[in-house]
Amino acid sequence: DTAVSQTPKYLVTQMGNDKSIKCEQNLGHDTMYWYKQDSKKFLKIMFSYNNKELIINETVPNRFSPKSPDKAHLNLHINSLELGDSAVYFCASSPTRTGELFFGEGSRLTVL
Amino acid sequence: GQQVMQIPQYQHVQEGEDFTTYCNSSTTLSNIQWYKQRPGGHPVFLIQLVKSGEVKKQKRLTFQFGEAKKNSSLHITATQTTDVGTYFCAESIYNQGGKLIFGQGTELSVKP
Repeated sequence: DTAVSQTPKYLVTQMGNDKSIKCEQNLGHDTMYWYKQDSKKFLKIMFSYNNKELIINETVPNRFSPKSPDKAHLNLHINSLELGDSAVYFCASSPTRTGELFFGEGSRLTVL
Repeated sequence: GQQVMQIPQYQHVQEGEDFTTYCNSSTTLSNIQWYKQRPGGHPVFLIQLVKSGEVKKQKRLTFQFGEAKKNSSLHITATQTTDVGTYFCAESIYNQGGKLIFGQGTELSVKP
């Protein structure tokens, strides 16, 4: 069983479309994250949830909306996609707010 | 802004040579974590250092935390082709919900 799983792994779409990425963890962790990795491999935190509560919201356009229906799931919805949104989006979970992160395999988003 | 600066950005070595990547901060770090990301893969946790002057070893990998807790290093002895990947340091910022801020990463390539 994959500990942190994301779907889809690949997403190719046109500018202006809306898309979602789903994440699930079976580790029993309370904290989940979304990170964005750009073409230069820089990893930047976007959001963090602790037990379904939003605790970190970095300076991210409001076109990005996370949702955590329960502590095992954290989804990311993106409206009105732009070229600059092309990146790999990683979901991660952690047993504590300051502990090690367990990353999913990533979702590569390409906006044409 | 960026909390930790990581150098070098790229390192090419011959198999069997040693490799070191450095992480530096202008402020005192509460802790430092290290991750490895294989090409096309996701970041995988290697270790966390918390104490001033701490040194930890994992087989051919040696991790150090500076006495002033403002720098850290990862040293690989006698590199192998399996060491190829990008190595990231990351700082957990306790007073900001524990968010993990990553360094820019050092991409290691190993020539057989």
